[in-house]
Amino acid sequence: RKEVEQDPGPFNVPEGATVAFNCTYSNSASQSFFWYRQDCRKEPKLLMSVYSSGNEDGRFTAQLNRASQYISLLIRDSKLSDSATYLCVVNRFNTNAGKSTFGDGTTLTVKP
Amino acid sequence: DTGVSQDPRHKITKRGQNVTFRCDPISEHNRLYWYRQTLGQGPEFLTYFQNEAQLEKSRLLSDRFSAERPKGSFSTLEIQRTEQGDSAMYLCASSLVGDGYTFGSGTRLTVV
Repeated sequence: RKEVEQDPGPFNVPEGATVAFNCTYSNSASQSFFWYRQDCRKEPKLLMSVYSSGNEDGRFTAQLNRASQYISLLIRDSKLSDSATYLCVVNRFNTNAGKSTFGDGTTLTVKP
Repeated sequence: DTGVSQDPRHKITKRGQNVTFRCDPISEHNRLYWYRQTLGQGPEFLTYFQNEAQLEKSRLLSDRFSAERPKGSFSTLEIQRTEQGDSAMYLCASSLVGDGYTFGSGTRLTVV
């Protein structure tokens, strides 16, 4: 079993739709959580950190459920430009030191 | 440009040859990471530096891989006696304590 698991998708949604991705992690001692976005043949870019209280950045909302060991990302009012692969990332330190473990990503395609 | 720089962008080498990649992190960042990514997979951790100290190295790495970060500035990743299985995108990232990563554009290695 992988340390970080994501539904690979693809998720195909129309513009304006709301879409949610989940990610589960196996190490209960994990302390830092992030979502990254990766466009085709580009490097990953940090989308947002995930805090225990949940956090929102515009159309994007991230949630953490420590008891069930999963992280979610909600995208509202999808745009064509949201089409990308979304990577879930987990680290065992609250300082995000050392190795971070990436999921294999969930692919989103937003269609007109 | 104050981002993370990697050189070269592409490298084609014959099996058995040695290759070296360079990464210049964001100057204020004291942490530097190397990851490797193959198609359809998330980035896989290779090694981590805090300043000039190499604090963690993946057990998946064979002795053919070595990384350095002299003086806590740029870093090099060397692969000796390359094999076809080494073909991948090699990503460098840097960060401050507790923050997410800023990745470079990567070095795409093809071993023929």
